[in-house]
Amino acid sequence: QTVVTQEPSFSVSPGGTVTLTCGLSSGSVSTNHYPSWYQQTPGQSPRPLIQTTSIRSSGVPDRFSGSILGSKAVLTITGAQADDESDYYCTLYVGNGMWVFGGGTKVTVL
Amino acid sequence: QVQLQESGPGLVQPSETLSLTCTVTGGSISTTDLFWGWIRQPPGKGLEWIATIHYSGSTYYNPSLKSRVTISVDTSKNQFSLSLRSVTAADTAVYYCARHPFGKPFDFWGQGILVTVSS
Repeated sequence: QTVVTQEPSFSVSPGGTVTLTCGLSSGSVSTNHYPSWYQQTPGQSPRPLIQTTSIRSSGVPDRFSGSILGSKAVLTITGAQADDESDYYCTLYVGNGMWVFGGGTKVTVL
Repeated sequence: QVQLQESGPGLVQPSETLSLTCTVTGGSISTTDLFWGWIRQPPGKGLEWIATIHYSGSTYYNPSLKSRVTISVDTSKNQFSLSLRSVTAADTAVYYCARHPFGKPFDFWGQGILVTVSS
């Protein structure tokens, strides 16, 4: 059973930078996993932020960026704003048509 | 712009079958490079991928749910459906339908439908 790991929570000051990670229980994350990130606020559907490692979805501000750092995929928010306070989920493609979501990271801006 | 809309009962009895349909508008479900899937989210918890289907009929399932799940497609209605058998309270969740292009993640999502399993 593949498990995708994320930090449960992070706190960032307005204007600050926060880096969220997305790892695999077994092995390293690579571009072959098409790592992608979603933002979700309460009561809303997940909003695609980053697809296939580093491509920003349409309308996503450039303060959001994605990459692979070491063995994990990362989402960096540079210059955090109040409305970035959300839950962030990563997802990885694990082969044979299957996707796995991480448990999500709750980001607080204060 | 493509839109997806989930429909189905909001309350299901334990041990019964949960059946949901996703209607796709603004685009054809019968597009070679597109796949269609179901994801769920229990209250206060994270997202879980359930299953994906291609209009050709190819299906992919979460191994942890595979024994209870069937995903199907009706190209004539531009719809795809989810059937989850023998439900328990643990299956209570918001169920989303979504689209993903080949090699890319889910890019368009429905608004979600809350399904409660309770007697």
